[in-house]
Order: sequence, then C-alpha cells, then structure tokens
Amino acid sequence: GAVVSQHPSRVICKSGTSVKIECRSLDFQATTMFWYRQFPKQSLMLMATSNEGSKATYEQGVEKDKFLINHASLTLSTLTVTSAHPEDSSFYICSAIYGGGTDTQYFGPGTRLTVL
Amino acid sequence: GESVGLHLPTLSVQEGDNSIINCAYSNSASDYFIWYKQESGKGPQFIIDIRSNMDKRQGQRVTVLLNKTVKHLSLQIAATQPGDSAVYFCASAVQGGKLIFGQGTELSVKP
Repeated sequence: GAVVSQHPSRVICKSGTSVKIECRSLDFQATTMFWYRQFPKQSLMLMATSNEGSKATYEQGVEKDKFLINHASLTLSTLTVTSAHPEDSSFYICSAIYGGGTDTQYFGPGTRLTVL
Repeated sequence: GESVGLHLPTLSVQEGDNSIINCAYSNSASDYFIWYKQESGKGPQFIIDIRSNMDKRQGQRVTVLLNKTVKHLSLQIAATQPGDSAVYFCASAVQGGKLIFGQGTELSVKP
C-alpha cells in the first residue's frame, strides 16, 4: 500500500514550452500532496503544498505563476512548469500524506525534466 | 531558522559492518522525524520514523535513536549490505505536515 506514481518519469522540452507532471496516489486518498525539486547531489527542497479543492501554498521564493499546481481530486495533483527555461531543469518529486492516523509522507519516483 | 543537518556527507563501510548515520535538527518544536533512503534517479523511500515521545525505535535491520536534549537523530543499519548503498536523508516534520530535509549522507558499501 501507499504507492505514489509520477508521470512522465523523464521529459525533455524546448525552452519556452510548458510541461505538466502528474502525481497520483494509487491505493489511498491524499488530501495533501507536496512538490519538491532536487538538484544533483543536493537535498530535496519543498516547492509547494497542494491541497485538494483549494489553492496550493508556495514556499518562499517559488513563483506560483511559473509552477502551477492543481489538486483536482483526492488522488491526483499536477505541476505545470510554464515557459520552461534551462535553469528549471531538475528532478521534480511529489509526495502524499498517507492518512490512517499517521502523517507519513510517501514519495513518487520523480520526474527528470531537461529543458534545452 | 529551521534546519536539519547531517554531520557527514559520505560514509564508506565494509559489507557486514554496522553503519551509523547522524543528523542534527534545530527546530525544538518538531515532534516527528523520518529517515528516507534515496537511490540514484529514484524518489526517497521511507525507512523508519520516530516521534518525540520515544527515544528509540527498531525496524528490520534498522534502528533510529532520538536524543531530544541535544536535538540529535541517528540511523543505525545492522549488517550493511551492498543494496544499502544510497543517499540517506533525515527529515523533520514541521507545521502543516511539511518536511525539512537534511543535506543527505551518501553511504557506500564495500564488498
């Protein structure tokens, strides 16, 4: 149980285009999901908290108009990187809180974004 | 500010030996701590967690120790195997369920 998937696993796009990344909780409902980015050899940096049915909460320094988050259902959150630039190239990882009395976060496998 | 740090960025151990990975946290209000394992190109994998009302918790081959007095967390891996080679992160839960991650320790297991 507590499996989180991401799609796509890898994407290469041209500068200026937009890319959508999906995060799904496969066997549980997640009212809260989180989006992180990770640069090589570095730790995970929280970008935003995604709550089902409400606006996402962004961390300081993260542009909400550039990183659009939509949490349309209890099993799906999407992150859209708009007008991507090479500096947006990174490993994007989502997580979901598995309820049932705990607040353990389970992570997706990540999406490698490369912007040319 | 809030931070979770690690004492060592790399750790190399011999197969079969025990591994100890350390972590320090600064937010005294944190009451939930988690260790994650991340293999190259993959997302973090939950290993073990501990709440602040405990000072020790054991899992399969892993033990987490929490010292709230000095705000220190450690992960012990018994009989380390090549498959344990990865980067290990500690994380501290803060308000809203958010996690603050440490910098990570890369564990390398020598055969």
